[in-house]
Order: sequence, then structure tokens, then C-alpha cells
Amino acid sequence: DTGVSQDPRHKITKRGQNVTFRCDPISEHNRLYWYRQTLGQGPEFLTYFQNEAQLEKSRLLSDRFSAERPKGSFSTLEIQRTEQGDSAMYLCASSPEGFGSYGYTFGSGTRLTVV
Amino acid sequence: AQSVTQLDSQVPVFEEAPVELRCNYSSSVSVYLFWYVQYPNQGLQLLLKYLSGSTLVKGINGFEAEFNKSQTSFHLRKPSVHISDTAEYFCAVSTSGSARQLTFGSGTQLTVLP
Repeated sequence: DTGVSQDPRHKITKRGQNVTFRCDPISEHNRLYWYRQTLGQGPEFLTYFQNEAQLEKSRLLSDRFSAERPKGSFSTLEIQRTEQGDSAMYLCASSPEGFGSYGYTFGSGTRLTVV
Repeated sequence: AQSVTQLDSQVPVFEEAPVELRCNYSSSVSVYLFWYVQYPNQGLQLLLKYLSGSTLVKGINGFEAEFNKSQTSFHLRKPSVHISDTAEYFCAVSTSGSARQLTFGSGTQLTVLP
């Protein structure tokens, strides 16, 4: 297993366009997380899945954001009508159940630039 | 709610010198503590974590951290740094809630000088 994979690594889009990112977690991990990291800051929690169920969402996740994990494996994060303030690194992470779920494995991220 | 303060935004240090990166947290409940490292344009790699037991935790790449409950601190140390340790370091806390959500500090840029 090669860890958590995210695609694409970089995305440049015009303001108002929709974008979708994909995350493939470690195969045996049933927990999946999305975080957002802006320049010079630590990552901020966006949302969390256990298997296919989205169990928690941050207030940062406005109505323009939607995340899915349809079969409990890969996940997608879509941003509609992008704004310049959406420019950030979007990080995905996964973890197993139990005590090992503390301190999870991050992917390399998708860097979004909205112009 | 919990919060994390990383007291130094930038720490320059010469190669082979010791280093300490400071982290203080605030929480009304028991916490679990983590240090992550981030190299440029990369995701975060877990260095070490404190969940329970011994307050001195050893991690990868020769790093260690000590949990001090009375001072609500979790400082990261390395006795001798290398050029390759140059990176951004993040302290994070989590509570025992079901989401295992992490709250991160704003990071410390460690720069190792030759």
C-alpha cells in the first residue's frame, strides 16, 4: 500500500468554476478526513467519514462545499462557484478504528489556486 | 473546545546543535497530543504522539517530546539537528470525541543552517 493518494496535486481554476478533488485512503482504513490549510496556518478540520457515512462537518464547510464517500473507499470533495478565498491546500487523511485512529496518515494534498 | 499555541513561528539553528520547539495547549478535557512535520509542498507526516503512559515520547528521526500536564505543554526536542530537518512543524491536539478531530497550531518553521 502506498499511503493516502490525492488527485490532482495542483489545480488552477477561474473564479466561479466548480472543482472536484479525489482522495484514495489506505485500503484498510475506514475513517477518512478532509482538512484545509491556508498559507502560513495549520490545517483546519472540514469533515469526517466513517465508512460511507459523513458524521461530522465543520462550519468552514459552506453550502458550496460537498463531500462524498459513496462506497466507503475513495472520497471526493467538490467546491461549487469557487471564490478566491477558497485558495488553499486541501488535505485528506485516513485512519483505522480503535486507538490507532489517533494520529492519522495524511496525503500530499491538492493545492487549489482560484484566479 | 481546545486550542494550541506554538510559541515560535521561526526557529533558526546551526547544524548539530540541539533544538526545542515549544507547544502549549488549552483544553477542558483530557487530550491526546501530536507533532507533525511538513516539507515544502507535501502533506503532513506524523513524528510522534502521546496517548497515555510515559510522558516522554520518542518519535521518528531522533525527535522526542515531553508531555507536561501541569504546564499544559508538549515541547518537541532533538539533541542534534541536520540540514534535512529543515521543515514546518505542527503541534496538534485531539480529544476522545468520536471524530478524532485534530486542532493544529499555526506551525514553527525550523531552519537548520550549515
